[in-house]
Amino acid sequence: ETGVTQTPRHLVMGMTNKKSLKCEQHLGHNAMYWYKQSAKKPLELMFVYSLEERVENNSVPSRFSPECPNSSHLFLHLHTLQPEDSALYLCASSHFHEGRGQYFGPGTRLTVT
Amino acid sequence: QKEVEQNSGPLSVPEGAIASLNCTYSDRGSQSFFWYRQYSGKSPELIMFIYSNGDKEDGRFTAQLNKASQYVSLLIRDSQPSDSATYLCAVTRNSGNTPLVFGKGTRLSVIA
Repeated sequence: ETGVTQTPRHLVMGMTNKKSLKCEQHLGHNAMYWYKQSAKKPLELMFVYSLEERVENNSVPSRFSPECPNSSHLFLHLHTLQPEDSALYLCASSHFHEGRGQYFGPGTRLTVT
Repeated sequence: QKEVEQNSGPLSVPEGAIASLNCTYSDRGSQSFFWYRQYSGKSPELIMFIYSNGDKEDGRFTAQLNKASQYVSLLIRDSQPSDSATYLCAVTRNSGNTPLVFGKGTRLSVIA
């Protein structure tokens, strides 16, 4: 256990559904991240939140909508996804400026049908 | 564009041998360097970090950093089949809005 939890661990949704992924960190970090990892592809950074403000958004389609209500919680709201959005979605947290590395949650395996 | 390059592998080594994983980076302003291990279907796990030139040892793992050559490596001594995984190199400047930049990873296979 890294101190970062994600729910659900597996999610199957249709293209017209709306769902949300949840991440919680218990490490006292001040930055949280969403990554996408597709089969045989490198990690793709999607969003970065530092002190609950979004500081990076890597040209992610609007069908992905992040929310960070406080420094311990991060959500990724999903709507009208496409089959190519099927992937492992990873949450991570860190101390933003201290360079001690990011700690990842177990991920949510998302399948869009 | 900041890049981190790794040989995708697979790198195959016999059990008990030393596995050597290499990584180069393009941003000379990088200050912190990390190695993650990712088993198939699992999330990345931080196993080593290094900030200064030279070697840093932790159990069977040794990280080596050469900032002049923009090169960082990970040595795994006495490799075990349980070390078989993809190893990700990541670097950061540690300043401003500059999160980790990850390489694509090297797949290591330790043969019993």
